Amino acid sequence: KAGVTQTPRYLIKTRGQQVTLSCSPISGHRSVSWYQQTPGQGLQFLFEYFSETQRNKGNFPGRFSGRQFSNSRSEMNVSTLELGDSALYLCASSLFGTGSYNEQFFGPGTRLTVL
Amino acid sequence: AQKVTQAQTEISVVEKEDVTLDCVYETRDTTYYLFWYKQPPSGELVFLIRRNSFDEQNEISGRYSWNFQKSTSSFNFTITASQVVDSAVYFCALSSTNAGKSTFGDGTTLTVKP
Repeated sequence: KAGVTQTPRYLIKTRGQQVTLSCSPISGHRSVSWYQQTPGQGLQFLFEYFSETQRNKGNFPGRFSGRQFSNSRSEMNVSTLELGDSALYLCASSLFGTGSYNEQFFGPGTRLTVL
Repeated sequence: AQKVTQAQTEISVVEKEDVTLDCVYETRDTTYYLFWYKQPPSGELVFLIRRNSFDEQNEISGRYSWNFQKSTSSFNFTITASQVVDSAVYFCALSSTNAGKSTFGDGTTLTVKP
């Protein structure tokens, strides 16, 4: 069974630009969650999509948005990038969602650097 | 609101030592789930174990063991006879259907020296 894949693995952008990250979950998983990982803040929950609907959202500004397609693949978009957006962005998939008993399967992450 | 505290930011031990990683959680939910994940230097988080709030049985898996105590809201993780390959960041996480999400602790970086 193929694992969670994320593309691209590395990105360098400048302030003010926008970026789109992609995540393909494990086959059969309908839930995709996004996390931001930084050295000082640990793993912060961004949002979860389940069957193409955003089911929950963390405390991030509206510049962070996402969507999920009918094949469960998900994209995350960050507009008007700021230096503080530099982080490792992790995608996780699970069968029934991040609030359930199911464990999450994480992708390798996308390392975003904002200059 | 849910909260997970991993008070130990970094731990360094010598191979073959036993080490315990602490995890304290806060939640108002009566039904919740606790997890431990390992993030090796390669970066990808890997699931280790889960417990639901009604199952306080401790568990042992090889050199790993977990102690869940609702009375102290703790879910501690012990590695016996540590090895260099155990070097990683370990995260404790809490989730519930009510909260609709998982809350992670800040992680504990474990370094096992040969």
